[in-house]
Amino acid sequence: GAGVSQTPSNKVTEKGKYVELRCDPISGHTALYWYRQSLGQGPEFLIYFQGTGAADDSGLPNDRFFAVRPEGSVSTLKIQRTERGDSAVYLCASSLEGGEKLFFGSGTQLSVL
Amino acid sequence: SQQGEEDPQALSIQEGENATMNCSYKTSINNLQWYRQNSGRGLVHLILIRSNEREKHSGRLRVTLDTSKKSSSLLITASRAADTASYFCATDANFGNEKLTFGTGTRLTIIP
Repeated sequence: GAGVSQTPSNKVTEKGKYVELRCDPISGHTALYWYRQSLGQGPEFLIYFQGTGAADDSGLPNDRFFAVRPEGSVSTLKIQRTERGDSAVYLCASSLEGGEKLFFGSGTQLSVL
Repeated sequence: SQQGEEDPQALSIQEGENATMNCSYKTSINNLQWYRQNSGRGLVHLILIRSNEREKHSGRLRVTLDTSKKSSSLLITASRAADTASYFCATDANFGNEKLTFGTGTRLTIIP
């Protein structure tokens, strides 16, 4: 596709449930980033992939959060046992090379009730 | 944690005036980037300045970088109503990886 695609655009779930958020990066982009953004705040770094491997996962808040990118393209962010505090917009971005210009998707608004 | 801090947190100016936003960061960097965000969703890249550059221009945008003070400024000249948005700086820390860390943002409102 022409840009970074994130699905779903909105996800409402109940506390304790499991959710998966998907990111389709721009074709050929080796670097993929996940961020979380709460209202009025800047994007908070979660994890960065270079190809299939997680180059830096230091931003994942705890072991309920996990992300994969098995073929070096599509990535899935997985959240287990969701909590109300997980409610936020989850943003995905890709770039040709790590640390360079990022292209962002429109984000997934996650609401945990 | 946030690497950068933007200043001011909010700025309101009349259309046609210039807007200046500042970003301070904590560690040495490879590059610094500025992004714009409308309506709290996807961010759009505006400009990238590398650590060995001091000033860069793109259309109505002018970015400066002072690595000795660990700070950058974004100037938008001849502002328009469409410039109303949040603006964030992001840094690529010079640690050998390419993790990009964003600041807290400046909310810019252009008054027609």
